[in-house]
Amino acid sequence: KAGVTQTPRYLIKTRGQQVTLSCSPISGHRSVSWYQQTPGQGLQFLFEYFSETQRNKGNFPGRFSGRQFSNSRSEMNVSTLELGDSALYLCASSLSPDGRNLHFGNGTRLTVT
Amino acid sequence: DAKTTQPTSMDCAEGRAANLPCNHSTISGNEYVYWYRQIHSQGPQYIIHGLKNNETNEMASLIITEDRKSSTLILPHATLRDTAVYYCIVRDDYNTDKLIFGTGTRLQVFP
Repeated sequence: KAGVTQTPRYLIKTRGQQVTLSCSPISGHRSVSWYQQTPGQGLQFLFEYFSETQRNKGNFPGRFSGRQFSNSRSEMNVSTLELGDSALYLCASSLSPDGRNLHFGNGTRLTVT
Repeated sequence: DAKTTQPTSMDCAEGRAANLPCNHSTISGNEYVYWYRQIHSQGPQYIIHGLKNNETNEMASLIITEDRKSSTLILPHATLRDTAVYYCIVRDDYNTDKLIFGTGTRLQVFP
């Protein structure tokens, strides 16, 4: 069974631009959550989706948004990029919204210059 | 904020048992203890979780104290590939709350 797939693997953007990251969960998994990882703040929860509905949201500004499609694939968008948005963005999926046994992808490394 | 406290780093000789402690003194009755690890350049990997009984799977054992205020993850025969950052997390499954990762323990397994 294929794991969680995140694309692209690496991305370089400039300040003020916007970016869209993609996540394909494990087949059959309906819950997708997103995390941001930086050296200073560690792993921080962004948001979680189940059946196309956002169920939980972390403490991030409105520039960070996401959505989930009917096939459970998810995208996250960051608008008006800032230097501090440079991070590893991780997507995780699980069978149910209880979040047990989260399966993480290997992330998208975003660099903002 | 993370509800757990872990040592920043630990070393372990290859082939020996690695015992990683975690303090969660404010854990409540409904909260489970989860362990994940993150190998360099990869996403976190689920290891094991438990409520109050000791648990064992093919990767590790989890020992939870009777008062549930602390736990220990045991890798019985550490290998070089176990070098990673190990995260201990407490989470209330019934509230389906998000996972809150702390700073974790960086385990270095040496030959």
